[in-house]
Amino acid sequence: GQNIDQPTEMTATEGAIVQINCTYQTSGFNGLFWYQQHAGEAPTFLSYNVLDGLEEKGRFSSFLSRSKGYSYLLLKELQMKDSASYLCAVRDTMAGFQKLVFGTGTRLLVSP
Amino acid sequence: ETGVTQTPRHLVMGMTNKKSLKCEQHLGHNAMYWYKQSAKKPLELMFVYSLEERVENNSVPSRFSPECPNSSHLFLHLHTLQPEDSALYLCASSQSRRGKTGTSGGAENTGELFFGEGSRLTVL
Repeated sequence: GQNIDQPTEMTATEGAIVQINCTYQTSGFNGLFWYQQHAGEAPTFLSYNVLDGLEEKGRFSSFLSRSKGYSYLLLKELQMKDSASYLCAVRDTMAGFQKLVFGTGTRLLVSP
Repeated sequence: ETGVTQTPRHLVMGMTNKKSLKCEQHLGHNAMYWYKQSAKKPLELMFVYSLEERVENNSVPSRFSPECPNSSHLFLHLHTLQPEDSALYLCASSQSRRGKTGTSGGAENTGELFFGEGSRLTVL
């Protein structure tokens, strides 16, 4: 089966650091993605991890532990515009074609 | 601007109507997808087309009918929908890591999805 868990909602203050966790159980694994989605807009790609460890990209970092089925997205120096939903997605192999399975998303609210 | 355009952005229809959603991608990708996004639920994969052939039909009711005439265009034909079908329908494209030539599609092709803005569907 496939199961991806992430918190429903988080709040943080401008300038702070926030960590959004994601745990997954899938029949196959070939990479984990994080997407950002502002209300009423398309999800946009943030990061990709396929090997264990930390990938840093500006204010955003993503970590993966394949043995634990665990990832997190770290957002530093939070800005008001970071208020959005953050979607964790795992690429699961399926009959030779790889599809993305999404979690429900974590809604992040950044306050002044 | 993500390179994936969806029309219409908003659609209201009755249960007996027939309508279509359209998606066009300008990224040269070889795979296109329809996802359904409902409140408090994960994005649900509905259909996948790779190299214009359907490779996934995720137990979607027959009142949803996809069409992929070429690698740049994807349609979702709707007929006799139910109120519970009201949702945001997202189109996406990607460069399959197993492309036509069997290459990865680039030095750093993650196969990430590029989404359109979505079509907000309300069924009355």
